[in-house]
Amino acid sequence: DSGVTQTPKHLITATGQRVTLRCSPRSGDLSVYWYQQSLDQGLQFLIQYYNGEERAKGNILERFSAQQFPDLHSELNLSSLELGDSALYFCASSVREGRAQFFGPGTRLTVL
Amino acid sequence: KNQVEQSPQSLIILEGKNCTLQCNYTVSPFSNLRWYKQDTGRGPVSLTIMTFSENTKSNGRYTATLDADTKQSSLHITASQLSDSASYICVVSGGGGGNKLTFGTGTQLKVEL
Repeated sequence: DSGVTQTPKHLITATGQRVTLRCSPRSGDLSVYWYQQSLDQGLQFLIQYYNGEERAKGNILERFSAQQFPDLHSELNLSSLELGDSALYFCASSVREGRAQFFGPGTRLTVL
Repeated sequence: KNQVEQSPQSLIILEGKNCTLQCNYTVSPFSNLRWYKQDTGRGPVSLTIMTFSENTKSNGRYTATLDADTKQSSLHITASQLSDSASYICVVSGGGGGNKLTFGTGTQLKVEL
């Protein structure tokens, strides 16, 4: 158990819908990272927050957005969902930038 | 362009045998290199983090090496166990812009009886 929690564990929805994935970092960690992993693909970095502020952006689509709240939990919002958005979405946290990232168990999103 | 290449793409070994996974990178400037183990459907778990000045680091049966001159790293697994079956991902930090991470696509290891 990494100490990072993600909800829900599984999510099945239809194309065109909008979903919100939630992540609670390890206690004391200020940085939160979001990743997408499609079937048989490597991890794709989406976005990073540090203490509530966006710090880095990766290959995140305009249909996706995220935020980190004052209590440091983070949410990833995916809208206008497409079949290709089906993937595992991981959240990771670290005490600060450059330190080891601890990954959550992931949310498996299936878009039908 | 910052890239991390891992080889082999997949590997099957017998239980008890040793194996070595390779990681070559072109990330510059270099900050650190990490190896992660990812079980199917689970989040990656950190095995080692190596900085520029570290050549070797061990974590139980896992030993990572780093040659910053040739920009190569290896992960050696000794006395493999069935539970070592997983994807092993090499991640390099650096490349400008602070904490930018470049991920390799991983080596899929399967340990069989």
